[in-house]
Amino acid sequence: GQNIDQPTEMTATEGAIVQINCTYQTSGFNGLFWYQQHAGEAPTFLSYNVLDGLEEKGRFSSFLSRSKGYSYLLLKELQMKDSASYLCAVTLSGGYNKLIFGAGTRLAVHP
Amino acid sequence: DAGVTQSPTHLIKTRGQHVTLRCSPISGHKSVSWYQQVLGQGPQFIFQYYEKEERGRGNFPDRFSARQFPNYSSELNVNALLLGDSALYLCASSFWDRGQPQHFGDGTRLSIL
Repeated sequence: GQNIDQPTEMTATEGAIVQINCTYQTSGFNGLFWYQQHAGEAPTFLSYNVLDGLEEKGRFSSFLSRSKGYSYLLLKELQMKDSASYLCAVTLSGGYNKLIFGAGTRLAVHP
Repeated sequence: DAGVTQSPTHLIKTRGQHVTLRCSPISGHKSVSWYQQVLGQGPQFIFQYYEKEERGRGNFPDRFSARQFPNYSSELNVNALLLGDSALYLCASSFWDRGQPQHFGDGTRLSIL
């Protein structure tokens, strides 16, 4: 089976840095996506990692270690609008674009 | 540019009825996928279509079916609705059928009474 684990909830302070971890155990691996989802809204694409290493995009960075089945999303200079659920999703090798999602991490940013 | 559009936004049905949900992908995108999201969970894959052909099917019963039209829009049909089908149904599109970020619509919230 496929298993993707993320912490259920996290809290952080405005202006701080937060790291959201994701571990996966899947039969085959192609790439890992991070999505942000505000309550009642659609998931929006944040990042895509295929190779090991860090991908930086503004205040958001994502890291992947394929050998460890591990990724994290790093959010810097937190803003109140960053309060949302963050979804880790994996696509499998040899397959199509099926996203296998974790349950998501609800992040609450406090003043 | 218009994003992925889904209709209707909300829908209320009773058990045993059937429902059709519609999705228009981003212009130029040829792949459409459907996901079911229950409150507090991540989306679960239902179907993927690329160039009008089914490319993948998730672990959902045969009551769920879908199709993709020549203009790349798509429909998801669910027959014999059950209470457990109450969820947010999300459509996502991408240009190719793999290795591409998928862009999601706002979803259809389906409530079964």
